[in-house]
Amino acid sequence: DIQMTQSPSSLSASVGDRVTITCQASQDISNYLNWYQQKPGKAPKLLIYDASNLETGVPSRFSGSGSGTDFTFTISTLQPADIATYYCQQYDNLPPTFGPGTKVDIK
Amino acid sequence: QVQLQESGPGLVKPSETLSLTCTVSGGSITSYFWTWIRQPPGKGLEWIGSIYYSGTTTYNPSLKSRVTISVDTSKNQFSLKLSSVTAADTAVYYCARGPEYSNSWYVYWGQGTLVTVSS
Repeated sequence: DIQMTQSPSSLSASVGDRVTITCQASQDISNYLNWYQQKPGKAPKLLIYDASNLETGVPSRFSGSGSGTDFTFTISTLQPADIATYYCQQYDNLPPTFGPGTKVDIK
Repeated sequence: QVQLQESGPGLVKPSETLSLTCTVSGGSITSYFWTWIRQPPGKGLEWIGSIYYSGTTTYNPSLKSRVTISVDTSKNQFSLKLSSVTAADTAVYYCARGPEYSNSWYVYWGQGTLVTVSS
């Protein structure tokens, strides 16, 4: 299986801050990388697919970049509604695998 | 709007078989892959397996010997069976769907159902 790592595992930032999360794959996955947001007690929500494509209806303050093994997820201006855990997911190889998550809260 | 809803027992005894059904409404089950994903309490997400509407399945090798996913197109449902469960199978189980003809990312999710394995 392809192993996904994320850093940091958690972060605390102020409203309006720029937040960056990194995701690394154990091997080259091209751009087959997705990002999800999960709020407590809720199902994950797709934010970004294929590394940099914003899912329909997702605010433009969310963005993604990267290819190969290294990827970045950014919230340009952190909002209170963005408090959640964020997961990356690869689908280059079966089984699809998820990163361990990054918990984001407000300072 | 496509909606997915998991149903099934919330408590399963060790060594028994966990059985869940996902009912799809607001859209057809054809032309899509249908997936089960689980999340142990306080932990991350694990992909269990997928089924194409035609019946072709793919399973996580770590669970393959215990997993069966099936689809009933006439009822717009797909199902999960996980045999010989242990406490390690306690998790919230989600059903999910991706884009047409692709098993790449998951746009639509059920609300999730907690299954506890305990005697």
